[in-house]
Amino acid sequence: SSELTQDPAVSVALGQTVRITCQGDSLRSYYASWYQQKPGQAPVLVIYGKNNRPSGIPDRFSGSSSGNTASLTITGAQAEDEADYYCNSRDSSGNHLGVFGGGTKLTVL
Amino acid sequence: EVQLVESGGGLVQPGGSLRLSCAASGFTFSSYWMSWVRQAPGKGLEWVANIKQDGSEKYYVDSVKGRFTISRDNAKNSLYLQMNSLRAEDTAVYYCARVLGTAMVYYWGQGTLVTVSS
Repeated sequence: SSELTQDPAVSVALGQTVRITCQGDSLRSYYASWYQQKPGQAPVLVIYGKNNRPSGIPDRFSGSSSGNTASLTITGAQAEDEADYYCNSRDSSGNHLGVFGGGTKLTVL
Repeated sequence: EVQLVESGGGLVQPGGSLRLSCAASGFTFSSYWMSWVRQAPGKGLEWVANIKQDGSEKYYVDSVKGRFTISRDNAKNSLYLQMNSLRAEDTAVYYCARVLGTAMVYYWGQGTLVTVSS
């Protein structure tokens, strides 16, 4: 199966901009999706496709992609953005499943 | 409002079986691929299985092939995961998921915890 690689932890000062990255060969062919997960809760989709936000997701969340790297950018991070973030894409091995990155723990200082 | 409500989790001994259910509402269940995704305690997310709208296609992660079976009942708006020959490494929160395409979760259930232990 395909692999997606994320940095385990990232920190950002309150109100600043942070970029969380995801690397993998499948990202050369497929868009990444991004999920936010807070402790004890189910994940929530925050970005999908080229740069789409589901209803209710603040516009400080945005997505981009270049080559084998996808990025989630939070512009003006808020305290409530502290969470784990997972990227996800289609598994390029042909098993018709999705694949997730290992997750990035975002700390807002 | 889309709702996915899982049930059926619990404590089971190694080698045992468990059947998870997911009751869906707020959308046309028969129009969507559905999936199960799991998360071991303190670990990341793992895609477990997919099922096509009419149940004619099913896909599994290698680690559960031959042990888990995904199924659905469109008349009851329900998704199932039959888990046999359970192992300690199957211990996780299992999420029911409505997917976009076959590889992106648009909606998640709240999850049900499966613990495999003697």
